[in-house]
Amino acid sequence: QVQLVQSGAEVKKPGASVKVSCKTSGYTFTTYVIHWVRQAPGQSLEWMGWIDTDNGNTRYSQKFHARVTITRDTSASTADMELSSLTSEDTAVYFCARVLSGVTAGPDYWGQGTLVTVSS
Amino acid sequence: DIQMTQSPSTLSASVGDRVTITCRASQSISNWLAWYQQKPGKAPKLLIYEASSLESGVPSRFSGSGSGTEFTLIISSLQPDDFATYYCHQYKTPWTFGQGTKVEIK
Repeated sequence: QVQLVQSGAEVKKPGASVKVSCKTSGYTFTTYVIHWVRQAPGQSLEWMGWIDTDNGNTRYSQKFHARVTITRDTSASTADMELSSLTSEDTAVYFCARVLSGVTAGPDYWGQGTLVTVSS
Repeated sequence: DIQMTQSPSTLSASVGDRVTITCRASQSISNWLAWYQQKPGKAPKLLIYEASSLESGVPSRFSGSGSGTEFTLIISSLQPDDFATYYCHQYKTPWTFGQGTKVEIK
């Protein structure tokens, strides 16, 4: 069965960076794009960017463009999201989600979410 | 970016009620809209895609309609498992989401 399993919760200090991993299984990794979405406490969902797992191309939200890097490892069927220069405003649950490549669609499967807490 | 305005923000209802949630896009998104259900501490669950297509395995009491800028999610007969928060999501890049509708027990 399709699974997207994310790495565990993180606590970081302001100014640090965090890397969240999304390990996929149950499907052909390179046939789906991986998106990253975050959700601050009590808030709605916010899109951060995506990676084409086949060719490594990325696109980022203007809001995060200077601070986010999304990468993938096709041999491990894993996508990572790194966010730098963290502030308390980055405290949120971060989700990865998959979308079939080449189509305009919403995600059908999501990771379980990773809580990132930024606190001094 | 396309803004998604979802209403109401909170809805109190009873089991068996018909529930309607609306979402308005700031510009036309054709039918590139999905509806998600989210429960506390969980990832969103896809209910409806392409505005009106029911995701496999989702009960038929959920339905979606609309195109362009106006969209609606209807739960025809609310069940105990349906008390959750619902989000509309337009997936014309860059993605944006509605602010959510919390469906509470009346």
